[in-house]
Amino acid sequence: NAGVTQTPKFRVLKTGQSMTLLCAQDMNHEYMYWYRQDPGMGLRLIHYSVGEGTTAKGEVPDGYNVSRLKKQNFLLGLESAAPSQTSVYFCASSPTRSTGNTGELFFGEGSRLTVL
Amino acid sequence: GENVEQHPSTLSVQEGDSAVIKCTYSDSASNYFPWYKQELGKRPQLIIDIRSNVGEKKDQRIAVTLNKTAKHFSLHITETQPEDSAVYFCAAKNDYKLSFGAGTTVTVRA
Repeated sequence: NAGVTQTPKFRVLKTGQSMTLLCAQDMNHEYMYWYRQDPGMGLRLIHYSVGEGTTAKGEVPDGYNVSRLKKQNFLLGLESAAPSQTSVYFCASSPTRSTGNTGELFFGEGSRLTVL
Repeated sequence: GENVEQHPSTLSVQEGDSAVIKCTYSDSASNYFPWYKQELGKRPQLIIDIRSNVGEKKDQRIAVTLNKTAKHFSLHITETQPEDSAVYFCAAKNDYKLSFGAGTTVTVRA
């Protein structure tokens, strides 16, 4: 049981390049999230998904796209990377809230992206 | 949307003393309030949480209090130890989304 796995762990891009971050979870969780973490700003929600085939915008969605074609995977795409997207990206998953389950978020290890 | 404010941004305490971190939230519909600890270079990990129908919860040296009327909640760490040094984040959940505070860097001095 690997939990939440993110790939790649590190990436350096040039301005204007595109890339995709992959998040995979093996806990059969319904909800999945992408956050970015910048110094002094906590974790800010980019996009999230409440089930296979669904996506929704979070606080800071501009410049990013997401897809959830399979329940276990949540992809984050940058079509044209900008230096302002230099950050650490965390994927998280959560079960639906039910009796005895608060809906805790389980995080991946993070992906450090640098845009030059 | 939900806005979570967290204070202080940094906190230095002597080993054995207590540490208190305070958060406020804006959306009265938020009903779940977790606290995460993040060590340098690691992922955030849940240390304690509280639901809106509970006023206080304790787990060994860690306790959380919630005042729904005032829309604020606090983390208390007693008898601090060097391994408590980390960044702590409060959060508030409304519907599907978890909104985080900006974080508190706690340093425990030996």
